[in-house]
Amino acid sequence: AQSVSQHNHHVILSEAASLELGCNYSYGGTVNLFWYVQYPGQHLQLLLKYFSGDPLVKGIKGFEAEFIKSKFSFNLRKPSVQWSDTAEYFCAVTAGGNNRLAFGKGNQVVVIP
Amino acid sequence: DAGVIQSPRHEVTEMGQEVTLRCKPISGHDYLFWYRQTMMRGLELLIYFNNNVPIDDSGMPEDRFSAKMPNASFSTLKIQPSEPRDSAVYFCASSVWDRETYGYTFGSGTRLTVV
Repeated sequence: AQSVSQHNHHVILSEAASLELGCNYSYGGTVNLFWYVQYPGQHLQLLLKYFSGDPLVKGIKGFEAEFIKSKFSFNLRKPSVQWSDTAEYFCAVTAGGNNRLAFGKGNQVVVIP
Repeated sequence: DAGVIQSPRHEVTEMGQEVTLRCKPISGHDYLFWYRQTMMRGLELLIYFNNNVPIDDSGMPEDRFSAKMPNASFSTLKIQPSEPRDSAVYFCASSVWDRETYGYTFGSGTRLTVV
């Protein structure tokens, strides 16, 4: 079964700083990759997804992610964060034509005004 | 579309009681998933259904947990008897297996507290 690793579980940064969250997965075949965001007290919402094509994916709220197949990575980035980006971010993977979504442990991001 | 609807939003129950969580998926979605979220273990997939049929229940913690999907618009997750370690947020999600529109839609969750 596929697994997903997210590092630096807790991230604290100031407004306007750049954010990068790492995500690595373990599966050698075709994968579909996702980033979800969970704002405090809310449910998970899809930020962006990658199925095929351009490995640089742009999502909502100024987020983007880059799929690097050779590194089994799908890192999330935002050039300039806002206080409203305070949330937990989850990387997730489906693999092998399977619709089962495997989540990483999440990154808790706190943006200080 | 109202999205994935879960009820109740909050549930507080005493240890040993039966708890039933409910989920209404998005109309037309043929997959339904139950996840449990805790601080210690993050998001864990408990069980998922395709066209109302359970496909993988390997994540169900033990026999105290059971899930059903009697029709395409309704699913339940039952815990009997409940224990304090079952306290968590339980999310239901639905999806279609379509590359263009694919993406899970999550419900707002049920926060379960077992005292």
